Amino acid sequence: GAVVSQHPSRVICKSGTSVKIECRSLDFQATTMFWYRQFPKQSLMLMATSNEGSKATYEQGVEKDKFLINHASLTLSTLTVTSAHPEDSSFYICSARVWGDEKLFFGSGTQLSVL
Amino acid sequence: QKEVEQNSGPLSVPEGAIASLNCTYSDRGSQSFFWYRQYSGKSPELIMSIYSNGDKEDGRFTAQLNKASQYVSLLIRDSQPSDSATYLCAVMRGNKLVFGAGTILRVKS
Repeated sequence: GAVVSQHPSRVICKSGTSVKIECRSLDFQATTMFWYRQFPKQSLMLMATSNEGSKATYEQGVEKDKFLINHASLTLSTLTVTSAHPEDSSFYICSARVWGDEKLFFGSGTQLSVL
Repeated sequence: QKEVEQNSGPLSVPEGAIASLNCTYSDRGSQSFFWYRQYSGKSPELIMSIYSNGDKEDGRFTAQLNKASQYVSLLIRDSQPSDSATYLCAVMRGNKLVFGAGTILRVKS
């Protein structure tokens, strides 16, 4: 299957700092990437859809100024959590779709802990 | 009503038994359905995809789809302790994949 690399795997930061998470498709070009968030014992909630070269589309209730998404190339999308607060602590997972296929392949996830 | 509903479990089965996981969805127009497995602290891993009514088998896994009843299931034969995980049902809505809350499966040796 397609490989999606996500870094870092774990981040601990102080409240008010910004954190950047990278998501790369290693062996394919991903025109669309998706960012999910998962709180403990809950399901994955889609935050935004990221298309290469255009602005991300955010789901209802997700603050676009707080969660900055950049999809500058066909293999890289980044999520920046700006001015993080403890309530932003969560498991963030990126995923990518191979062109012409509906299956989603997931990165390994980033556990963000804001103190 | 949630778009994708699953019993949270836990579902406990003995080693070697068949585990049956169920999922219902609300959008009658949905055409693509997926089962993912997620271990604690890890990201989801695709197990099966199914698009047509009926059964689809892959090794020990069988996915079943009934669009009239808006029902998807996953059967795991010869369950192993390593199958213990959370199983997520997902349904395609437009360009997006919507997940259920997942069912915790515990296989006891």
